[in-house]
Amino acid sequence: QAVVSQEASLTVSPGGTVTLTCESSTGAVTGGHYPYWFQQQPGHAPRALIYDISNRHSWTPARFSGSLLGGKAVLTLSGALPEDEADYYCLLSYSAGQFVFGGGTKVTVL
Amino acid sequence: QVQLQESGPGLVKPSEILALICTVSGGSIDSDYWSWIRQPPGKGLEWIASISYTGIPNHNPSLKSRVSIAVDRMKKQFFLYLTSVTAADTAVYYCARKFDIWGRGTLVTVPS
Repeated sequence: QAVVSQEASLTVSPGGTVTLTCESSTGAVTGGHYPYWFQQQPGHAPRALIYDISNRHSWTPARFSGSLLGGKAVLTLSGALPEDEADYYCLLSYSAGQFVFGGGTKVTVL
Repeated sequence: QVQLQESGPGLVKPSEILALICTVSGGSIDSDYWSWIRQPPGKGLEWIASISYTGIPNHNPSLKSRVSIAVDRMKKQFFLYLTSVTAADTAVYYCARKFDIWGRGTLVTVPS
């Protein structure tokens, strides 16, 4: 089974920009992995932010954007707010209907 | 707006079967696929299984021999069954429509 890797933790200043990455042990992340991104606040269920690389849900703030870069899926947070402090998870889709979550990145806004 | 609600026992004895229900409201279950995800206390998310509205399942290979997933379109419910549970199965269990709409989760504890 594939392993999906993310940074363990990142810190961003209020108003700053932070980039989270999502890497697959099987090789480059492509559109065929349909990368998803989720935000999870302490004590709450995850909330979907991005699907299919770069598509925002209707509830996703515009300061969150997704892309592919250098063989990885990337989530960029531009103009960080205190309420963006949370855990962020990526999810990749593999053949035969399999899904694998990354280990999550703890983002601190400080 | 579609909402999902997990239900089931909060405590399951070791070696027994964990059975959870996800009830869908505010929308149809007659499309998309429906998933179960879990999160052990203080740890990350783990995909367990998904099922299409037509009943075609996919399972996490690491759990496949112990996991079953089913859907009842008439009742607008889908189900998770996990056999031979151990303390390692203690987690918050979430159901989700694809991965965009999630339930609030239900904590299941298996004592060691």
